[in-house]
Amino acid sequence: DGGITQSPKYLFRKEGQNVTLSCEQNLNHDAMYWYRQDPGQGLRLIYYSQIVNDFQKGDIAEGYSVSREKKESFPLTVTSAQKNPTAFYLCASSIAQSRDQPQHFGDGTRLSIL
Amino acid sequence: AQTVTQSQPEMSVQEAETVTLSCTYDTSENNYYLFWYKQPPSRQMILVIRQEAYKQQNATENRFSVNFQKAAKSFSLKISDSQLGDTAMYFCAFKGVSAGNMLTFGGGTRLMVKP
Repeated sequence: DGGITQSPKYLFRKEGQNVTLSCEQNLNHDAMYWYRQDPGQGLRLIYYSQIVNDFQKGDIAEGYSVSREKKESFPLTVTSAQKNPTAFYLCASSIAQSRDQPQHFGDGTRLSIL
Repeated sequence: AQTVTQSQPEMSVQEAETVTLSCTYDTSENNYYLFWYKQPPSRQMILVIRQEAYKQQNATENRFSVNFQKAAKSFSLKISDSQLGDTAMYFCAFKGVSAGNMLTFGGGTRLMVKP
């Protein structure tokens, strides 16, 4: 079955540590996205990528970095510069970054601070 | 910039009854898409229904339907014959050109279906 796989499901970060969240899709989608969700709130866009080797900052990119070396993979690194990283992170993809294409989501990764 | 507002933080409904979730948005665009996503306790985001602004006919997907009022910039979701599995957070989202075709989400409505 085609879909989006995020790993790990739960992740703990120590102070000053960088951690990387994995997102893989086998839907052959061109566009991929990372969102952050805080308790009781909606989703906020961190980064997005329309095509391999290209990505753009979203609304809350500070303290995060991404790469898009392969079409199916879009990992998110939460750096030590992100002072409040505890949140639920969702990865999504769509056929193309156009208005009529819905985004499909993974199951998410919950990141907590030790 | 677009904004999406869901004015009902929490709602509840008895099983088998009908409930309507509200969503309003603000945009100067004429052609855009609107979506409702469901997020059950498992936290996965599931697309429920979508509506193109140019289509006057309200979208329907089984027990889910929308009331799209373009002039009023309103996009409510009606769930008929509510089931326990409908218990979830529901997010309204807007997608238009001026935001680079990115999704703008509302704050969500937590729906509890009671047996």
